Amino acid sequence: AQKITQTQPGMFVQEKEAVTLDCTYDTSDPSYGLFWYKQPSSGEMIFLIYQGSYDQQNATEGRYSLNFQKARKSANLVISASQLGDSAMYFCAMREMGNQFYFGTGTSLTVIP
Amino acid sequence: EPEVTQTPSHQVTQMGQEVILRCVPISNHLYFYWYRQILGQKVEFLVSFYNNEISEKSEIFDDQFSVERPDGSNFTLKIRSTKLEDSAMYFCASSELGAQGTQYFGPGTRLTVL
Repeated sequence: AQKITQTQPGMFVQEKEAVTLDCTYDTSDPSYGLFWYKQPSSGEMIFLIYQGSYDQQNATEGRYSLNFQKARKSANLVISASQLGDSAMYFCAMREMGNQFYFGTGTSLTVIP
Repeated sequence: EPEVTQTPSHQVTQMGQEVILRCVPISNHLYFYWYRQILGQKVEFLVSFYNNEISEKSEIFDDQFSVERPDGSNFTLKIRSTKLEDSAMYFCASSELGAQGTQYFGPGTRLTVL
């Protein structure tokens, strides 16, 4: 089974609108961390937001928020007020108890002016 | 703001040659990682390194690969006898903490094997 599943290969959003990028995960570890990274066309990986499995509240970082639904094993990224510079690939990732990171296949987001 | 750096940004090599990819992690970080991303595919974990030894490695990280921390600042990935399928973007990452720490990625080295 895939550790991280991102079912949306491509998404479009109008500038200034909000968009949700889906991520589901699979683990039996009681302690794990969930991450979102942005990869622009230039190729670098930029950390966006982190959610710990024991965190009671959803993580927020500026325009980014993580909709964490533990029972459903989902960790969707919400980007509010989309900007043209948000156009990029977005990867959901998870770390279990060990030091290995598992990445999803990514979602390509295009912001339309 | 501290950042992970990687050199070179692009490396072109002939099949069968050895390459060394270099990384300088964030200075107070203790955990180091290498990942690769074949063009258009997802990021794949290669290896994690802590306290001067490998703590975890994936199936991809076979005898062709090795890592080293030759001094207090550099972290290197050596690929012996490169193959065409080694062409990929290689990312170094570091974190202050282990399992619960956020990993910060370097800009990557694009390796092209001809």
